[in-house]
Amino acid sequence: NAGVTQTPKFRILKIGQSMTLQCTQDMNHNYMYWYRQDPGMGLKLIYYSVGAGITDKGEVPNGYNVSRSTTEDFPLRLELAAPSQTSVYFCASSPPGLEETQYFGPGTRLLVL
Amino acid sequence: AQSVSQHNHHVILSEAASLELGCNYSYGGTVNLFWYVQYPGQHLQLLLKYFSGDPLVKGIKGFEAEFIKSKFSFNLRKPSVQWSDTAEYFCAVWGNNNDMRFGAGTRLTVKP
Repeated sequence: NAGVTQTPKFRILKIGQSMTLQCTQDMNHNYMYWYRQDPGMGLKLIYYSVGAGITDKGEVPNGYNVSRSTTEDFPLRLELAAPSQTSVYFCASSPPGLEETQYFGPGTRLLVL
Repeated sequence: AQSVSQHNHHVILSEAASLELGCNYSYGGTVNLFWYVQYPGQHLQLLLKYFSGDPLVKGIKGFEAEFIKSKFSFNLRKPSVQWSDTAEYFCAVWGNNNDMRFGAGTRLTVKP
């Protein structure tokens, strides 16, 4: 198993541009999550999904959108990038019955200038 | 919603010193508690977790944590740290609302 994979690893965006951060897991996990990690702030939950077709907001959803058309994929969309969205983004997933135990991807570092 | 506080932002220790990192949480319901570690340049890995039962939880690499319900605490300990323990450590709380909240993290530097 590859686990949780994320692409790209690093990206620079201009203000107002849009992009999609990709996340894929091959462990047949129901739950998937998107976090952002800012220095000194820990991780904050952006969105999560309990299964294909179901998504819900986390602590900091503004400026982001998600979709979950398959069990494996959980892309995160930034429509109008802002400097405040400069961060490291982590995707995670958790297995059925153990939703609390999350497996993290390697992260995507995003810089918005 | 639940919240987590980690009071130590940066801890510097010499090898073989003992470690205790503080974690306090606030949440009115049943909680599941976690410690994650992030080594330089790597993603988060689970160190240990507490769901129920024995409040003293043992994890990987010689780490342990004690859940003290009366103090809303879940401190991480290791009797003797190694240089390879240099990393950032995150405490996290899962409530019954599908929401995981992380603390701000504690950066541990172990001097050889």
